[in-house]
Amino acid sequence: NAGVTQTPKFQVLKTGQSMTLQCAQDMNHEYMSWYRQDPGMGLRLIHYSVGAGITDQGEVPNGYNVSRSTTEDFPLRLLSAAPSQTSVYFCASSQRLAGGLEQYFGPGTRLTVT
Amino acid sequence: GQSLEQPSEVTAVEGAIVQINCTYQTSGFYGLSWYQQHDGGAPTFLSYNALDGLEETGRFSSFLSRSDSYGYLLLQELQMKDSASYFCAAEEDMRFGAGTRLTVKP
Repeated sequence: NAGVTQTPKFQVLKTGQSMTLQCAQDMNHEYMSWYRQDPGMGLRLIHYSVGAGITDQGEVPNGYNVSRSTTEDFPLRLLSAAPSQTSVYFCASSQRLAGGLEQYFGPGTRLTVT
Repeated sequence: GQSLEQPSEVTAVEGAIVQINCTYQTSGFYGLSWYQQHDGGAPTFLSYNALDGLEETGRFSSFLSRSDSYGYLLLQELQMKDSASYFCAAEEDMRFGAGTRLTVKP
């Protein structure tokens, strides 16, 4: 199992550009989510999905879109990049079990917007 | 929504025991998770508490008191490799605390 994979690892964008961060998981998990991590602020939830065809907003959704057409894939789209979106982005997948929601994180995408 | 408060930094020596606290304010609550993150890496799941009491997983234990809206992560027999950031997270809306940076000194 590859677990959760993310591409690209690094990306530099100019203000106003758009791009898609890719996320895939091979664990057949129902739940997938996107977080951003800024220094000293922990992880903040952007969008999440509880299954194919179902998405919802998290804490900081503005400027981002998601879709979930398959169980495996959960891409994050930046519509018009802004310097405030410079951050590290993590994708996670999880399965709700009796032991709670154990999330498996991808390696992250380090995004810089100039 | 929820907020979770953790100390920003903790320092301890190798072989010691350290406790990282987490207090939360919530309008609803399912359980509290703990994650470890090394510099430059991704968070990894450590433990989860849905009910009051202590959950033990090797050198790591986690405690929850729902009546006090409080939990902690206990790390025993500290090793240098335990130097990392530790996050508590509320399951209800997958909100994370800002993290506690643990430094283990020889």
